[in-house]
Amino acid sequence: DVKVTQSSRYLVKRTGEKVFLECVQDMDHENMFWYRQDPGLGLRLIYFSYDVKMKEKGDIPEGYSVSREKKERFSLILESASTNQTSMYLCASSLGGQGLYEQYFGPGTRLTVT
Amino acid sequence: AQSVTQLGSHVSVSEGALVLLRCNYSSSVPPYLFWYVQYPNQGLQLLLKYTTGATLVKGINGFEAEFKKSETSFHLTKPSAHMSDAAEYFCAVSALSNTGNQFYFGTGTSLTVIP
Repeated sequence: DVKVTQSSRYLVKRTGEKVFLECVQDMDHENMFWYRQDPGLGLRLIYFSYDVKMKEKGDIPEGYSVSREKKERFSLILESASTNQTSMYLCASSLGGQGLYEQYFGPGTRLTVT
Repeated sequence: AQSVTQLGSHVSVSEGALVLLRCNYSSSVPPYLFWYVQYPNQGLQLLLKYTTGATLVKGINGFEAEFKKSETSFHLTKPSAHMSDAAEYFCAVSALSNTGNQFYFGTGTSLTVIP
């Protein structure tokens, strides 16, 4: 079974802090994704990566950056956390073919910025 | 361009009743279609998928969905709802395109099961 793990289930940070959300997948998937989920807005794509050291902006990249130094790990970085970044963050991975195949999700990180 | 529309952001059914969650998509090429379920404070779990072949697809937990090309639909059904089916359900579509493959989610349908 594919396993996607996220470094924290719950996280509380202060405004202005630099925040790192880590995601690791164990199935040698080429593609990895970061989403945020807010009530009434569904899933919104922040960044994605189709290969190591490759990254592409999704629909809402502002205020975020990412890093993919190894195939299995995809990190989301909030350079200076703000209260409007309080949200559920979901990481996913999938096989090659860019965005064609099903995505497998981690359990999510619920981030609160105070 | 593709889009996914889930009709009804909230659906309530009685325990034992039919579950029907609607999903329509727009795609100019044959799509791959997916349904996911999300329980509270958890990630999304794949329920079922359609890629090619048989248009009626069976998934986990007794759910199934039928791909109807003429109606551009992929509705999710379950004959008899259980209390444990209460969750958020997401329809998703992906397809080949000359600008790269894309994967799109609908905005979700929250299912409530009434005892």
